[in-house]
Amino acid sequence: DAKTTQPPSMDCAEGRAANLPCNHSTISGNEYVYWYRQIHSQGPQYIIHGLKNNETNEMASLIITEDRKSSTLILPHATLRDTAVYYCIVGNTGTASKLTFGTGTRLQVTL
Amino acid sequence: GAVVSQHPSWVICKSGTSVKIECRSLDFQATTMFWYRQFPKQSLMLMATSNEGSKATYEQGVEKDKFLINHASLTLSTLTVTSAHPEDSSFYICSARVVQGRVAKNIQYFGAGTRLSVL
Repeated sequence: DAKTTQPPSMDCAEGRAANLPCNHSTISGNEYVYWYRQIHSQGPQYIIHGLKNNETNEMASLIITEDRKSSTLILPHATLRDTAVYYCIVGNTGTASKLTFGTGTRLQVTL
Repeated sequence: GAVVSQHPSWVICKSGTSVKIECRSLDFQATTMFWYRQFPKQSLMLMATSNEGSKATYEQGVEKDKFLINHASLTLSTLTVTSAHPEDSSFYICSARVVQGRVAKNIQYFGAGTRLSVL
């Protein structure tokens, strides 16, 4: 699976949009981009995933560049409860697929 | 989203004893579940892939005789830490993969985790 690079930490003011970048320059054509987050002392939570088109759900938006070498997760109106470690993971589909967690980005939402 | 229940959430045991952790998918069937371990201030490390009705697949460096995994039904996988020692103290997290259509997209739903402390 391709490797990802994320900034170790970011701050965001409550109510503002949080834009979390991820670099995955070695992504292959059939690999998806997945985003998960882990709030302190809890299990990770699935947020969103995409292949090449931008995606949006009730939690977030995922913007993938045309060359697919990077992506951005957007939380449109961050709240204090969005404070967590956000993981960008690239991986295949199929029965043999699995998730490899990197170090992620620690997002701190402040008042 | 799908719900995965993990029990117990916290366990303290004496060195040399065995501890069983249960992972249940509550509202969907999961042919594949995963077990992770997370040490303080570190990321999740995959320990093993649990497949219903067959043997688990362990990641390199994980002792299969120490971490016994059973996936006897489509909604339950168990991890037993045998002869636990203080270095096994960690946060253990399970997940279940959701299958969408004919392609098993890699979407996993996670339990809340089990904090194991071995004295």
